[in-house]
This record gives sequence, C-alpha cells and structure tokens, in this order.
Amino acid sequence: GAVVSQHPSRVICKSGTSVKIECRSLDFQATTMFWYRQFPKQSLMLMATSNEGSKATYEQGVEKDKFLINHASLTLSTLTVTSAHPEDSSFYICSAVTGQGRYEQYFGPGTRLTVT
Amino acid sequence: TQLLEQSPQFLSIQEGENLTVYCNSSSVFSSLQWYRQEPGEGPVLLVTVVTGGEVKKLKRLTFQFGDARKDSSLHITAAQPGDTGLYLCAGAGGGYNKLIFGAGTRLAVHP
Repeated sequence: GAVVSQHPSRVICKSGTSVKIECRSLDFQATTMFWYRQFPKQSLMLMATSNEGSKATYEQGVEKDKFLINHASLTLSTLTVTSAHPEDSSFYICSAVTGQGRYEQYFGPGTRLTVT
Repeated sequence: TQLLEQSPQFLSIQEGENLTVYCNSSSVFSSLQWYRQEPGEGPVLLVTVVTGGEVKKLKRLTFQFGDARKDSSLHITAAQPGDTGLYLCAGAGGGYNKLIFGAGTRLAVHP
C-alpha cells in the first residue's frame, strides 16, 4: 500500500514553455501532498505543501507564480513550471501522507526536468 | 527554525564492514523517519520511530531514537553493495505534516 506515482518521469522542454507534472496517490486518499526539488547529490528541498481544495503553502524563496500547484482531488496534485528556464532543470519529487496526524511521507519516483 | 544535522555526509566502505549514521538536533521531534534513496528514484521509507529510546530493527539495519527525541542513529551491520544509496533522516514537527530533512549520508559499499 501507499503507492505514489508521478508523470512524466522525464521531460525535456524548451526555454519559455510550461511543463506540468502530475502526482497521484494510487491506493489511498491524500489530503496533503508535498513538492520537493532535489539538486544533484543533495538532500530534498521542500517547495510547497499542497492541501486538497485549498491554496498551496509555499516555502520561503519559492515563487508561487512560477511554480503553480493545484490539488483538485484527494488523489491528484499537479505542479506546473511556467516559463521554464535552464536553471529550473532539476529532479522534482512529490510525496503524500496517508491521513491526518500521520507524518510518514510516501514519495513518488520523481520527474527529471531538463530545460534547453 | 528546526534543523537536523546528519553525519557523516559521505561514507565509502568495504563489504562486510559495520557503519553508523547519526542525525542530531537541538529540537524535539514527535517522530523521526529514515529513508533510503537510489539515484534517479524517490526516497523509500525504511522506518518511523516515535517513542524516546525506541529501537527498531530491519534485518541488518538498527534504528534508534534518542531518549529526548532530539537525535537518532542508523546502524548497518555487515554492509553489502546493495546497501549503497543516499540515507535521509527526517523529523516531524514542522506543521502541516511537514518533515525537516537532514542533508543526507551518501553510502557506497564496495565488493
């Protein structure tokens, strides 16, 4: 149980375009999902907390107009990188918690974004 | 601001050796998780410790939560090449189910 999927696994886009990444909880409902960014050989950096039916809470320094997050259902959250630039190239990972008061996060397999 | 200091950052050992990874903080956490991540994949949850002084074993891996719930350790006995990966500790208590992650320990076990 507690499986999280991400799509796509890899995406290459041109500078100035937008890219949408989907995060799905496959066998549970996730009221809260998280989006992380990971640079090579580094730990995870939390970008935002996504709560179903409400606006995402962004971490300090993360541009909410550039990284649009939508959590329209209990099993789906999306991250859209708008007007992508090469510096946005990174490994993006989502996670989900299985219920209120639970802290264990279950992670998706990640999405490798390359902006050319 | 809650911080988790993880050490060592890098560890390169031979198959069969033992090792310990430490995770320390000045803050109290309600629980602490350990994850393992392989290149190009998402982290996989290994264990959650909740009670101060708690010890959990997962085959050759032993996890301990400090009595004051401010620190934790991961001990691997007789490491194998399959143990190679990035080990992350993460403490709960940041609000909204947020986790505070350590910087990670990159383990390489050579045959």
